[in-house]
Amino acid sequence: GQQVMQIPQYQHVQEGEDFTTYCNSSTTLSNIQWYKQRPGGHPVFLIQLVKSGEVKKQKRLTFQFGEAKKNSSLHITATQTTDVGTYFCAGYTNDYKLSFGAGTTVTVRA
Amino acid sequence: SQTIHQWPATLVQPVGSPLSLECTVEGTSNPNLYWYRQAAGRGLQLLFYSVGIGQISSEVPQNLSASRPQDRQFILSSKKLLLSDSGFYLCAWAQKGAYTEAFFGQGTRLTVV
Repeated sequence: GQQVMQIPQYQHVQEGEDFTTYCNSSTTLSNIQWYKQRPGGHPVFLIQLVKSGEVKKQKRLTFQFGEAKKNSSLHITATQTTDVGTYFCAGYTNDYKLSFGAGTTVTVRA
Repeated sequence: SQTIHQWPATLVQPVGSPLSLECTVEGTSNPNLYWYRQAAGRGLQLLFYSVGIGQISSEVPQNLSASRPQDRQFILSSKKLLLSDSGFYLCAWAQKGAYTEAFFGQGTRLTVV
């Protein structure tokens, strides 16, 4: 079945620096969703990508869907302490089954 | 607006005891419903999902079960808890349709002792 791998598992970032987290699939994805989970909280939807090569931006966050629709990335510029949390990518393998990657846990050094 | 309720927020249960976690959704009908488990510092493991009343798909063989007795009610159960059942249990719902976003409940932190 489909497996979605996320790297890195942990990302320690100096405040103000940029970083990227990656999501890779063994099969072609119909879509990719990104969620953020703050410490002690529940995952909250950030964005969805559907088209090959699609790029979407949310303020300092840039999301990209690969041309082959097998990978995606989330790039955060000028990291702030509010960016702390775990970022998950997720995808549907059929109309109903939504599976998540293992997540990238981000900590920020002030 | 739609809301999802999940309870209890925390639970400490002895090994071998039963479990029942409940999740209800308001403000929508015929949603897809999900149960996920998150071990400490780990990712989200899909346990069960349901596309309708009485329709349950199981993803991981284990001593847990799920039921959907009503359209907007999803229950996670166990007859006898194991230590390995400890974790953060999250219920979620999504509208039917292509690639809709999931909305999560606040979660239940279960500790089996």
